[in-house]
Amino acid sequence: EPEVTQTPSHQVTQMGQEVILRCVPISNHLYFYWYRQILGQKVEFLVSFYNNEISEKSEIFDDQFSVERPDGSNFTLKIRSTKLEDSAMYFCASSLGLAGGGSYNEQFFGPGTRLTVL
Amino acid sequence: GIQVEQSPPDLILQEGANSTLRCNFSDSVNNLQWFHQNPWGQLINLFYIPSGTKQNGRLSATTVATERYSLLYISSSQTTDSGVYFCAVEASGYSTLTFGKGTMLLVSP
Repeated sequence: EPEVTQTPSHQVTQMGQEVILRCVPISNHLYFYWYRQILGQKVEFLVSFYNNEISEKSEIFDDQFSVERPDGSNFTLKIRSTKLEDSAMYFCASSLGLAGGGSYNEQFFGPGTRLTVL
Repeated sequence: GIQVEQSPPDLILQEGANSTLRCNFSDSVNNLQWFHQNPWGQLINLFYIPSGTKQNGRLSATTVATERYSLLYISSSQTTDSGVYFCAVEASGYSTLTFGKGTMLLVSP
């Protein structure tokens, strides 16, 4: 069964460093998302991406964050200058997203990347 | 934005017991999903259920969209059911999921 994959599973970095989190969405999906979950808290939306551009973003997704689809399979989240409060689990998700609704907007999540900023 | 409230926040059960988890939401939705977060942190899709009733083995879910709530039923619970159960909704006009705070379930042998 197709699934969303993410690498690395765990990333440790020093405050101020740049990190890139990588995701491979399900191959025929059109919408891609990043969410984060601070330890012990609920999952929060960061950004959605469709047709090679950001379609929605939250207040959390400020100038230190960027997303890119560098090729036909990968979807990346870059954090430019990490802060202690960026420590969290980051989830990538994808959905088929065709017009007309139905289960096409069901989102499937990857296993997450646990980011630890020291 | 849309509000999502889950209850109860915590639940402790003996193996074999049944339970009902509730999700209330404040506005109309295009999408409602239930997830199980396992001890390794993975979010496992349980149901896509913006309306109606679905069943999958010992789990079933019902969403009454007009009354803005959804219920997740777990029957004959097992220790492997332990973890956090999240309800997430996609408000009409948006394509993003808003999660509730979850229900933490512990099933003891």
